[in-house]
Amino acid sequence: EADIYQTPRYLVIGTGKKITLECSQTMGHDKMYWYQQDPGMELHLIHYSYGVNSTEKGDLSSESTVSRIRTEHFPLTLESARPSHTSQYLCASSRGTTGSAYEQYFGPGTRLTVT
Amino acid sequence: GQQVMQIPQYQHVQEGEDFTTYCNSSTTLSNIQWYKQRPGGHPVFLIQLVKSGEVKKQKRLTFQFGEAKKNSSLHITATQTTDVGTYFCAGPAQGGKLIFGQGTELSVKP
Repeated sequence: EADIYQTPRYLVIGTGKKITLECSQTMGHDKMYWYQQDPGMELHLIHYSYGVNSTEKGDLSSESTVSRIRTEHFPLTLESARPSHTSQYLCASSRGTTGSAYEQYFGPGTRLTVT
Repeated sequence: GQQVMQIPQYQHVQEGEDFTTYCNSSTTLSNIQWYKQRPGGHPVFLIQLVKSGEVKKQKRLTFQFGEAKKNSSLHITATQTTDVGTYFCAGPAQGGKLIFGQGTELSVKP
């Protein structure tokens, strides 16, 4: 198993709250990703990063934001949580440069419920 | 835009039966990757195929990459309850991202 961590694993929070989902990896990977996945459904890329100070929006529109100040850390923030944000959020990382697509290593995920 | 389609969406088999999932891309791929996600878990990388017509085996799992590098398949021989999960294929997209198929959920009845 790869060394990529996510906290919290589970989060139940009320509407309107600001939350930050943490993701850290110890593999020295430059590329990191955030996916949103409903149970049993496909993975939707919401943000990715090629390295420090690089962030890009993914294919699925999201009201979240990300930052990449350190190579190992890629937090995702929701400024005002809504019930429609209820989902599983998966963080992943991979080696390689901008144009390469090597295998991705996933964290255990954060299951978010917004009430 | 680029799409990766997977069929079937669900497959229910009796333990010991074989299982196959198919992956088709709208564009030629430089490689195809396969992942497995156990129920309640996260995707785990299984294998990558690079060459046209490539066939790779992992115990009871056989992976194939089509000659045109636009399709792939995963075949499991004599399924076991430990094979339960969702199998995703993924192909490279612009910018080094991966485009994942919708996944095939496999359930195995003992």
